[in-house]
Amino acid sequence: ETGVTQSPTHLIKTRGQQVTLRCSSQSGHNTVSWYQQALGQGPQFIFQYYREEENGRGNFPPRFSGLQFPNYSSELNVNALELDDSALYLCASSLEAGGNEQFFGPGTRLTVL
Amino acid sequence: GENVEQHPSTLSVQEGDSAVIKCTYSDSASNYFPWYKQELGKRPQLIIDIRSNVGEKKDQRIAVTLNKTAKHFSLHITETQPEDSAVYFCAVENQAGTALIFGKGTTLSVSS
Repeated sequence: ETGVTQSPTHLIKTRGQQVTLRCSSQSGHNTVSWYQQALGQGPQFIFQYYREEENGRGNFPPRFSGLQFPNYSSELNVNALELDDSALYLCASSLEAGGNEQFFGPGTRLTVL
Repeated sequence: GENVEQHPSTLSVQEGDSAVIKCTYSDSASNYFPWYKQELGKRPQLIIDIRSNVGEKKDQRIAVTLNKTAKHFSLHITETQPEDSAVYFCAVENQAGTALIFGKGTTLSVSS
């Protein structure tokens, strides 16, 4: 069984640029959730994808968007990067949406200069 | 929306002591309450979870208690060891079952 993986590990961008982060879900999982974790804070929910459809969204602006592919891997896209977007971006996969353990990936550390 | 408060923010104990971390939540319809441990530079890992039809759950040195009426739940770690040092997060699943809402975390330090 393969765990959740994310790429890249680290990324440095400048304000106004766009970024794409990738997540491969654990084998057999069809649900991927994305979280933003600022330094010293708990993860904040961005959105969830279930069977290729957005299944819920947190309080993030539309410049945060995502995709889920038929193999259930997922992308997080952020447009018009701002300094405050600097954070650890975590994805988590689960067997199904709702009431199931979420397995986290190692995260992508994004720095916006 | 759901709001989760976690206390204390930092906790220092001696090896062998017990540690207790408490969380309160706002949405009485929430049914799933996991606890995650995050070591420095690593991913959050589930250590124990509880559902609303259960009042207490134990796994070796770790236990979680849930009081649905009062809308609070607690993590109990007994016989703490230096390797228990980490940041612990409580979380509550929202009513729609689409998101985990996390507390701000508790930094636990266990000194030997």
